[in-house]
Amino acid sequence: DAGVIQSPRHEVTEMGQEVTLRCKPISGHNSLFWYRQTMMRGLELLIYFNNNVPIDDSGMPEDRFSAKMPNASFSTLKIQPSEPRDSAVYFCASSLGDRILNTEAFFGQGTRLTVV
Amino acid sequence: DQQVKQNSPSLSVQEGRISILNCDYTNSMFDYFLWYKKYPAEGPTFLISISSIKDKNEDGRFTVFLNKSAKHLSLHIVPSQPGDSAVYFCAASSGNTPLVFGKGTRLSVIA
Repeated sequence: DAGVIQSPRHEVTEMGQEVTLRCKPISGHNSLFWYRQTMMRGLELLIYFNNNVPIDDSGMPEDRFSAKMPNASFSTLKIQPSEPRDSAVYFCASSLGDRILNTEAFFGQGTRLTVV
Repeated sequence: DQQVKQNSPSLSVQEGRISILNCDYTNSMFDYFLWYKKYPAEGPTFLISISSIKDKNEDGRFTVFLNKSAKHLSLHIVPSQPGDSAVYFCAASSGNTPLVFGKGTRLSVIA
């Protein structure tokens, strides 16, 4: 398996524009996570899905952020409108099992977002 | 409120010596702890884990120690190698909750 695949690797956009980040989890994994990494807050969980259903989106910073998982092999994280403070590295991760219990998560390479 | 804390942003160690990375947590419900390693421009990769029923887990040069009463865990790398230079994240989970990560410690192993 190629692992968790994220696209694009880098995104530079102007403030106010819509940004869509994409993720393909490892085949067979039931849970998918979106994390954001910043210097100030480290790795923080934004939202996670289990069997394509959003379980907890309390980490999503604002209504400008939304995430979907239309099927087991694809997820998107959308920011609309984007702001400079959204600049960060966004990671998607997936894990095996119906329960998010004691299983390691496998991370993609991340998308570095810069909003100017 | 940070539930998982890595108070040392960086650490430098001579090649061949021991590296000790520390992590503290506040949530007593955490029962599974992991260390991830991250190289620049890559995603974090799993390194080693420990369940709360144990106090030590060893895998080659890497050993994780858990002190539940102190809510503290540490990662020992011995001997340290230049290829170990990376950012190390401590993570914890409880029951059916996702991993909660610390801010990371940047380890530099000097040849």
